[in-house]
Amino acid sequence: GENVEQHPSTLSVQEGDSAVIKCTYSDSASNYFPWYKQELGKRPQLIIDIRSNVGEKKDQRIAVTLNKTAKHFSLHITETQPEDSAVYFCAAIPNSGNTPLVFGKGTRLSVIA
Amino acid sequence: SQTIHQWPATLVQPVGSPLSLECTVEGTSNPNLYWYRQAAGRGLQLLFYSVGIGQISSEVPQNLSASRPQDRQFILSSKKLLLSDSGFYLCAWNKNQGSPLHFGNGTRLTVT
Repeated sequence: GENVEQHPSTLSVQEGDSAVIKCTYSDSASNYFPWYKQELGKRPQLIIDIRSNVGEKKDQRIAVTLNKTAKHFSLHITETQPEDSAVYFCAAIPNSGNTPLVFGKGTRLSVIA
Repeated sequence: SQTIHQWPATLVQPVGSPLSLECTVEGTSNPNLYWYRQAAGRGLQLLFYSVGIGQISSEVPQNLSASRPQDRQFILSSKKLLLSDSGFYLCAWNKNQGSPLHFGNGTRLTVT
C-alpha cells in the first residue's frame, strides 16, 4: 500500500522568510496530493492540492510542486506570517479502488515574529 | 453547499463507560465517510471508513466500532472506554476517491 513520509517534523522560520515542507510517496499510481493546515485545537483544513497531470500549482503565498519521477511533492510558503504557524499534513491517494487518503505524520511550523 | 456536523465538541467519560459520537453530512448524497483519531501532538490515525450504507472498513483493531445507519450518518461507538481512547476524534467526508477531504470540527474525548 501507499506510504507517505514527511519532513521535517518541526520547522522554525523568521517572519517573512520562506518555508518548505517535503513529502515522498511510494505508490507510483497515486495521482492526488492535498495539503492540510491544522491550527491548534482545530480541524485540518485543505489549503492546496495538486493532481499528477500538473507539476506546480500556486495560490497566493503557497505553492505545491510535484515530481512524479522522483515520487515527491513539496509545499512552499513565501513571506511567512505568524498566522502561518500550524501543523501541516501532506497526503497521497492512488487512483484505484476505494483506498483512503494516506497522510504524512505532519510538520509543526513556527513563524517567529 | 455541503456541511458536516459532528457532536459533541467535548466529552469527559470514565473508564469502562460506553461511547457514541455522531457525524452527519448535509448537501450531498452517497459520500465516503471517515473517522480519524488524533492523539495530542500527533498525526491523523484512520480508524474507519465507509463507502456506502452498511459498508464499514476498519483500519485498526481496537475496542471501537463504527456504523452507518443512513447514507449521511456515521457513528463511532465503544462498549467500554479505555484510558488510551482519549484523543481528538475527527469525522470527515469526500465525494469520491481523489476528491478533497473535508473534516468536521472534532470531538475532544478525555477518558478519566
